[in-house]
Amino acid sequence: EDQVTQSPEALRLQEGESSSLNCSYTVSGLRGLFWYRQDPGKGPEFLFTLYSAGEEKEKERLKATLTKKESFLHITAPKPEDSATYLCAVQDGNTPLVFGKGTRLSVIA
Amino acid sequence: EPEVTQTPSHQVTQMGQEVILRCVPISNHLYFYWYRQILGQKVEFLVSFYNNEISEKSEIFDDQFSVERPDGSNFTLKIRSTKLEDSAMYFCASSFDRSGNTIYFGEGSWLTVV
Repeated sequence: EDQVTQSPEALRLQEGESSSLNCSYTVSGLRGLFWYRQDPGKGPEFLFTLYSAGEEKEKERLKATLTKKESFLHITAPKPEDSATYLCAVQDGNTPLVFGKGTRLSVIA
Repeated sequence: EPEVTQTPSHQVTQMGQEVILRCVPISNHLYFYWYRQILGQKVEFLVSFYNNEISEKSEIFDDQFSVERPDGSNFTLKIRSTKLEDSAMYFCASSFDRSGNTIYFGEGSWLTVV
């Protein structure tokens, strides 16, 4: 059973069309939920860490939120340069990061 | 901004050969990791390393794999007798602490086994 499920698998947006990506998780002792951006052929680039339900973090057009069962990555007025795969990962206690399959975002000008 | 650096960026090797992938973690970090990503699949944990020894490893990290910190800055992954299914992007990562601390990834080493 997957501990981290991301949806949708792929999302195509027009430039300026805001939307949200979902990451649902099933871990018993969440130590941290991490969002990364991954461009093709590159390593995951750190975006946010969230530690407890109710926490929110923002960076430019991105805002990440966390509940006890899921996290959302909200993208406001996206631009073509926001096109990438967005990865969610969780840490359960002291265990290694477990990644979801990612959401592939395409923003069309 | 400090970053994790990896070499080579791409390596092609014959099946059965040994490869060594190299990494320089962020300088004040204490925990080091290797992850891999087969094309089109999830990023998967291989091994974590702390205080000059393996702290945790996955089922993927069998006797074919080994890690080493040969000096104060480098961290290496050795794959003995490579197989076709070892073809993947290998990411080195580091963090200051183990639990809840952000893990920073390198750009990856793309390994192609032919």
